[in-house]
Amino acid sequence: GAVVSQHPSWVICKSGTSVKIECRSLDFQATTMFWYRQFPKQSLMLMATSNEGSKATYEQGVEKDKFLINHASLTLSTLTVTSAHPEDSSFYICRGLAGGRDTQYFGPGTRLTVL
Amino acid sequence: KQEVTQIPAALSVPEGENLVLNCSFTDSAIYNLQWFRQDPGKGLTSLLLIQSSQREQTSGRLNASLDKSSGRSTLYIAASQPGDSATYLCAVKTSGSRLTFGEGTQLTVNP
Repeated sequence: GAVVSQHPSWVICKSGTSVKIECRSLDFQATTMFWYRQFPKQSLMLMATSNEGSKATYEQGVEKDKFLINHASLTLSTLTVTSAHPEDSSFYICRGLAGGRDTQYFGPGTRLTVL
Repeated sequence: KQEVTQIPAALSVPEGENLVLNCSFTDSAIYNLQWFRQDPGKGLTSLLLIQSSQREQTSGRLNASLDKSSGRSTLYIAASQPGDSATYLCAVKTSGSRLTFGEGTQLTVNP
């Protein structure tokens, strides 16, 4: 079946650095990609929605200049956390939608720890 | 704005017990409701999906019901096993394919 991969699965970085997280759809075309973050013992909160070739739509309270999303192809979307701070430490998960929008696949998540 | 609430936040039961997890949502204009399982530090595993026109779905020891008009869903787990220990999330799908998640129920099944 279709798989969505995320890379890296975990990353530790110093405060002030930037981190890029990749989300790849392996055998389907993800026309829409959703990015979520999950703080410990909390639920998944939607950060932004991106359609291939278009600018991402960010949820209220999510800084678009800090969380850069690129969805340049139907098989790859990236989330870059710029100038990361300890409060950005979280579990980031992508969710890809295929064509008819009834088929969705979640990535396995990326654990980001900012020191 | 859609809000999803799950009760209880945590549940600990002995092995073999039947149990019910609850999910409620504020806006009944949903396309479907889905139950997921999440193991610590891992992604989501889809368990059951109920379309808005359906009342329930079953898979093995799991049964999920949906009462759209009252904004409620339950996940019934029969004959629980230690391997069922995980966090269970419910999510409702609304317009634009948005998913709104509850905060989950952390289940522990003790041997």
